[in-house]
Amino acid sequence: GAGVSQSPSNKVTEKGKDVELRCDPISGHTALYWYRQSLGQGLEFLIYFQGNSAPDKSGLPSDRFSAERTGGSVSTLTIQRTQQEDSAVYLCASSTDRTYNEQFFGPGTRLTVL
Amino acid sequence: GNSVTQMEGPVTLSEEAFLTINCTYTATGYPSLFWYVQYPGEGLQLLLKATKADDKGSNKGFEATYRKETTSFHLEKGSVQVSDSAVYFCALRTLGGNEKLTFGTGTRLTIIP
Repeated sequence: GAGVSQSPSNKVTEKGKDVELRCDPISGHTALYWYRQSLGQGLEFLIYFQGNSAPDKSGLPSDRFSAERTGGSVSTLTIQRTQQEDSAVYLCASSTDRTYNEQFFGPGTRLTVL
Repeated sequence: GNSVTQMEGPVTLSEEAFLTINCTYTATGYPSLFWYVQYPGEGLQLLLKATKADDKGSNKGFEATYRKETTSFHLEKGSVQVSDSAVYFCALRTLGGNEKLTFGTGTRLTIIP
């Protein structure tokens, strides 16, 4: 079946612009995660959605970052007023709601802020 | 808080060599431990996992044993192949809350023929 998909695969933007990154999780997966992979910080957790519960935003690095998940499926990560330090690969993962279940990762969106 | 310390790379080995990538962790509670692999141009994939002490995860000739006494989960393979060239990430996850993965910094492995 289809895996996690993300779009765009690459995004180049100018400093100060807003960007939206999209994630389509595996059908039926209720848990959705965003991570960021950057040279200086490795792989770090950003935000977590589980079903209809309020999202866990504890990993978001600043209030310029926000995310939503519509209809318990597709998620959009928005970065406002992008900065050069936002340049990274943004990864989305999904899993079922069972404990210890594997997180399946998408291919990522490479964001470059000029 | 949780953290994972992973052997720094890059690591370059000849084909058929023995591989060890060290990983140690700090966690509250009893974590599950994972190795993820990222092949060139591809997304992260789960390689193997172990959910309790003394469990051994294995896949594709790779093995790792959950050692609670040394808080370690070292990745090993007896005979590496060129196709094993990738970046390897050690990670942990604790039960409850958001069950996010906490990753190590990654180790880039290159196998030369």
